[in-house]
Amino acid sequence: NAGVTQTPKFQVLKTGQSMTLQCAQDMNHEYMSWYRQDPGMGLRLIHYSVGAGITDQGEVPNGYNVSRSTTEDFPLRLLSAAPSQTSVYFCASSYRGGLSTDTQYFGPGTRLTVL
Amino acid sequence: LAKTTQPISMDSYEGQEVNITCSHNNIATNDYITWYQQFPSQGPRFIIQGYKTKVTNEVASLFIPADRKSSTLSLPRVSLSDTAVYYCLVGGYNNNDMRFGAGTRLTVKP
Repeated sequence: NAGVTQTPKFQVLKTGQSMTLQCAQDMNHEYMSWYRQDPGMGLRLIHYSVGAGITDQGEVPNGYNVSRSTTEDFPLRLLSAAPSQTSVYFCASSYRGGLSTDTQYFGPGTRLTVL
Repeated sequence: LAKTTQPISMDSYEGQEVNITCSHNNIATNDYITWYQQFPSQGPRFIIQGYKTKVTNEVASLFIPADRKSSTLSLPRVSLSDTAVYYCLVGGYNNNDMRFGAGTRLTVKP
């Protein structure tokens, strides 16, 4: 199993550009989630999904969109990039439980810089 | 919401036991406590999870006092490869109430 994969590894955008961060998992996990990691702030939940077709907002959802058309994929879309979205983004999946009650498996991350 | 507070950094030497404490004063009845380890340029990796008292697995122990307002991750006999950032996570089945701590950077010296 490849586990959780994310593409791209690095990305540089200009303010106002849009892009999609890709995330896929091959473990047949129901739960998938996106986090951003900023210095001194730990990981903050952006959006999550409890199954195909079902998504919900986390702590910091503004400026981001998600959809979950399949169990395997959970892309994160930046609609109009801003410098405040410069961060490292992690995708995670878990089998069936909640984000805090089940083991989460994280991808390797995408480092995004918005100029 | 359970706010989690951890020390920013800790230093240790090879072979020592390391204890990292996380403070979560307003933990809810249904909240669990989970610890993750993160190496540079990698995603966090699950270490251990508990609800109360003590949990032990092959790599760590987790101590939770009766009031559950704090928890301590214990790493026995650390090695250089344990140098990493350790995150405390507190939350229950309401996914919007989960909160990671800011992380503790552990440096193990020879």
